[in-house]
Amino acid sequence: DAKTTQPNSMESNEEEPVHLPCNHSTISGTDYIHWYRQLPSQGPEYVIHGLTSNVNNRMASLAIAEDRKSSTLILHRATLRDAAVYYCILRDVNGGSNYKLTFGKGTLLTVNP
Amino acid sequence: ETGVTQSPTHLIKTRGQQVTLRCSSQSGHNTVSWYQQALGQGPQFIFQYYREEENGRGNFPPRFSGLQFPNYSSELNVNALELDDSALYLCASSYRAPGYEQYFGPGTRLTVT
Repeated sequence: DAKTTQPNSMESNEEEPVHLPCNHSTISGTDYIHWYRQLPSQGPEYVIHGLTSNVNNRMASLAIAEDRKSSTLILHRATLRDAAVYYCILRDVNGGSNYKLTFGKGTLLTVNP
Repeated sequence: ETGVTQSPTHLIKTRGQQVTLRCSSQSGHNTVSWYQQALGQGPQFIFQYYREEENGRGNFPPRFSGLQFPNYSSELNVNALELDDSALYLCASSYRAPGYEQYFGPGTRLTVT
């Protein structure tokens, strides 16, 4: 599985935008970029995913570099509820029989009131 | 729409015993994946089930086994429990397609003494 690199931790203030970076320099042309987050004492939660173009949904935006070697998850206005570990994960669109998620250690986001 | 549910919430077992954990998939999902999450780490893929058959396996020994039932619910069985099996066990359901997100349950916290 292609690997991703994320900062161990980041800090933000409430109601400010947050940009969470992810490097995936060995990404292949068939890898989707997925983001999940895990709030304390909960299972991971899907946030967003994309292939080549930037994506927006109700939770966040995903900005994908033109060469696809990096991406940024954008939380437009952080709330205290956004404090979580954020995981950037690559999934092969040709995963064959196996569509597993390979989690790293993720980025621990702290949101200050 | 009912989300993914898991039972029990917490469980304490003794080394050498056997344990069965249960998962009910989100309505309409046909694939179930199981993950193990040790404290402070990201979830690690155990295996996935699709149409009642194992459909991919991570680096876990054969004493970790599972079942998927016709209603797509699933069980994770662990034999000969070891202290290192203490972890949060997460179940995730999804449609069987690489771009589709996985929906996680809240997990079962297993403690082996």
